[in-house]
Order: sequence, then C-alpha cells, then structure tokens
Amino acid sequence: GDSVTQMEGPVTLSEEAFLTINCTYTATGYPSLFWYVQYPGEGLQLLLKATKADDKGSNKGFEATYRKETTSFHLEKGSVQVSDSAVYFCALSDRSGGSYIPTFGRGTSLIVHP
Amino acid sequence: SQTIHQWPATLVQPVGSPLSLECTVEGTSNPNLYWYRQAAGRGLQLLFYSVGIGQISSEVPQNLSASRPQDRQFILSSKKLLLSDSGFYLCAWSAIDKIWGTEAFFGQGTRLTVV
Repeated sequence: GDSVTQMEGPVTLSEEAFLTINCTYTATGYPSLFWYVQYPGEGLQLLLKATKADDKGSNKGFEATYRKETTSFHLEKGSVQVSDSAVYFCALSDRSGGSYIPTFGRGTSLIVHP
Repeated sequence: SQTIHQWPATLVQPVGSPLSLECTVEGTSNPNLYWYRQAAGRGLQLLFYSVGIGQISSEVPQNLSASRPQDRQFILSSKKLLLSDSGFYLCAWSAIDKIWGTEAFFGQGTRLTVV
C-alpha cells in the first residue's frame, strides 16, 4: 500500500537558519503530494501541494519539489522564523480503490529559537 | 467557500461514559470524510473514512464507531470510553474527484481526556 516516510524530529534551529525536512513516499499510482502544518492545539492546515512530477509547491517562503525519480518531496525554507515552530506533515493522495484517501507521514516537529 | 465545523473543542469524560463527536462540512457535496486520532507527540492515525452516506470503513479495530447520517455530517461515537481513548481527534474532508484537487481539509480538533 501507499506510505509516507519523513525524518524524525524534533528539528531544532536558530532563527534565519535554512530548513530541510525530508519526505519520501511509495505509491501504487501517480499521487498528489502535500505538506501540512499543525500549530499547537489546532488542526492541520495545507501548506503547499504538487500534483505532477517536477511541480514546485510554494507558500509562505516554504518550497517543495515533486521528484518522481527519487520519490521525494522535501520541504525547504531559506530562513526560518520563530513563528514557523510547528509540526509538519508530509502526505499523499492516490487513487486507490477509486477513492483518494490521504496518507500521512508521522510528522516532524520544528522548534525555532530566537 | 468550503468550511468544516467540529465540536466540541475540549471534552473531559469519565471512563465508561458514552461519546459523541460531530463534524459537518459546508460548501461542498458528496465529500470523502475522515476521522483521525492523534496521540500526544504522535502522528495521525486514520480511524474511519466514508465515501458516501451510510458507507463507513474502519481502519483499526477499537472501542469507537462512526456514522454518516447525512451527506455532510460525520459522527464519531463510543458506548463506553476507555482511558486509552484519550487523544486529539480530527475530522477532515476531501473532494472525491481528482479534478477538484484531493487535499484534505481539517477541522480544529477535539481534545478528549478520559478520566
């Protein structure tokens, strides 16, 4: 079945540091890929998405590129802020059994210090 | 625009008591609906999903059940809560047709503490 693997956390950075959170996936079809962000005590919010190979999703300074050859969708940001501290989830949706049931990674906690 | 409502936000229930969490979606029709549970410091566990009224798929055997009495209403229930049912419960929906995008949209969650 489909699965998403993302790096273990927590990731601890100083403000203005470069961020990379690795994500790889396995899927039977041609999935869409997503990054979600969860702030403490809240639900998940869609951060960015990509629907086909070589697409780059971007939002709020975050970027991720759909790499079909390496089955990866790594999240990057050039300069993190304290307000970026949250849990980040990589996810995919694939046409499995006729429905697009989303599959999530375990989440990576990001802590940014001033 | 589409919105999702989930309530209550916080709930403290004694062991052995019943549970009913409700989720409704507005602005879309025939969505896929999901219930997830998130234990402290853990990832998302898919509990139930539904692709239509009265159609419920369970991902893990447990003390919980789900129902979809209307197209945009999804209910999570338990007859007798266990301590292990404590956690953060999230409702979500996604479009059933890839043309409209397949990302999931989440409610704000319910923090359930069983005491």
